Amino acid sequence: DAKTTQPNSMESNEEEPVHLPCNHSTISGTDYIHWYRQLPSQGPEYVIHGLTSNVNNRMASLAIAEDRKSSTLILHRATLRDAAVYYCIPTLGEDSNYQLIWGAGTKLIIKP
Amino acid sequence: NAGVTQTPKFQVLKTGQSMTLQCAQDMNHNSMYWYRQDPGMGLRLIYYSASEGTTDKGEVPNGYNVSRLNKREFSLRLESAAPSQTSVYFCASSEATYQGSNYGYTFGSGTRLTVV
Repeated sequence: DAKTTQPNSMESNEEEPVHLPCNHSTISGTDYIHWYRQLPSQGPEYVIHGLTSNVNNRMASLAIAEDRKSSTLILHRATLRDAAVYYCIPTLGEDSNYQLIWGAGTKLIIKP
Repeated sequence: NAGVTQTPKFQVLKTGQSMTLQCAQDMNHNSMYWYRQDPGMGLRLIYYSASEGTTDKGEVPNGYNVSRLNKREFSLRLESAAPSQTSVYFCASSEATYQGSNYGYTFGSGTRLTVV
């Protein structure tokens, strides 16, 4: 199974961009990279996912390295509401019904 | 648009008691999942149901049973609760496919269970 490495925590100032790194050097060719976040006392919330190309949506951008061994979640302008634990998750392939394997994530602290 | 609804939100059980956690989704998703999350940890998969009528064990199935009642509902049962099952339980659903595409999961707000 693919394993991920993320910083335990990161701090950023409000209204500045945030780059959250993730290393997934053992990812297989068919594993998608998902990002979720979990606000305090809430269930996880889908943020973005991708396979090979960089992806953008209204919440964030996902930059995937060409060798797919790492990726970076980019919050373009962080707000206090973005304070959460961010999880980088490779999905297991189609034989495993696209199960998600969760690590401990990165706790993002936003300073006003 | 409710998404994934879990009941109850909070529960305290005595050791040895049984209970069923309920989960329902209104997005017509095929796949549903039960996770537990212990303090400071990521989620761990208990059971999942790839489609109506099927269930499979996840990473930590011992002490739990599940029922996929229909496409909308997926329940988790603790037959004899133990203090080690004190945790936050999340239900999720997704429109998983087997053609190489991939979708996000939608989670419920969780059930906070304490076993004393």
